[in-house]
Amino acid sequence: GAGVSQSPRYKVAKRGQDVALRCDPISGHVSLFWYQQALGQGPEFLTYFQNEAQLDKSGLPSDRFFAERPEGSVSTLKIQRTQQEDSAVYLCASSLRDNRRRIEQFFGPGTRLTVL
Amino acid sequence: KNQVEQSPQSLIILEGKNCTLQCNYTVSPFSNLRWYKQDTGRGPVSLTIMTFSENTKSNGRYTATLDADTKQSSLHITASQLSDSASYICVVSHDRGSTLGRLYFGRGTQLTVWP
Repeated sequence: GAGVSQSPRYKVAKRGQDVALRCDPISGHVSLFWYQQALGQGPEFLTYFQNEAQLDKSGLPSDRFFAERPEGSVSTLKIQRTQQEDSAVYLCASSLRDNRRRIEQFFGPGTRLTVL
Repeated sequence: KNQVEQSPQSLIILEGKNCTLQCNYTVSPFSNLRWYKQDTGRGPVSLTIMTFSENTKSNGRYTATLDADTKQSSLHITASQLSDSASYICVVSHDRGSTLGRLYFGRGTQLTVWP
């Protein structure tokens, strides 16, 4: 079956430009996560959805970052007025239920954002 | 501060050889520990998940160990293959009871297997 997909795979933006990154989770997966992975680093948590509800957004680095999942399926991570420090790979992951205990997260391939 | 530290940062081994990667964590309270494999340009893929009560878990040529007392884990790879070349990331889940346990990621060990 289809895994988690993300688009675009690569995005180059000029500083100050707004960008929107899309995540299509595995069908039926309740939970959806966004992570930011800087070069040579491990992923850092950004935000978490359970269905359409954004239950945790404490990892979003600034108010320029906004995520939504209006129908509890596809999610969009929006970054306004991009800065060079926003350059990273943005990973999306989904899981069947909430992420307690041993529930597995399945990751997408990521979107590599480069801000010039 | 909740942290996950991995060593070595990078490792080169010859095909067919074994290797062991290390992970130390300070995440508390602890829920579970996972090892992921991340190929270049791809998302992480889970290898093993262990809870507090488990001290070893195998998945083919991968064997993970966990010592929850010393907060250390290792990932042992036997008979390495060229396709094992990847970043191996240790991930620890924070136990927050009934609410979401945040995942804390290490920086990964970059493994290169040479023919």
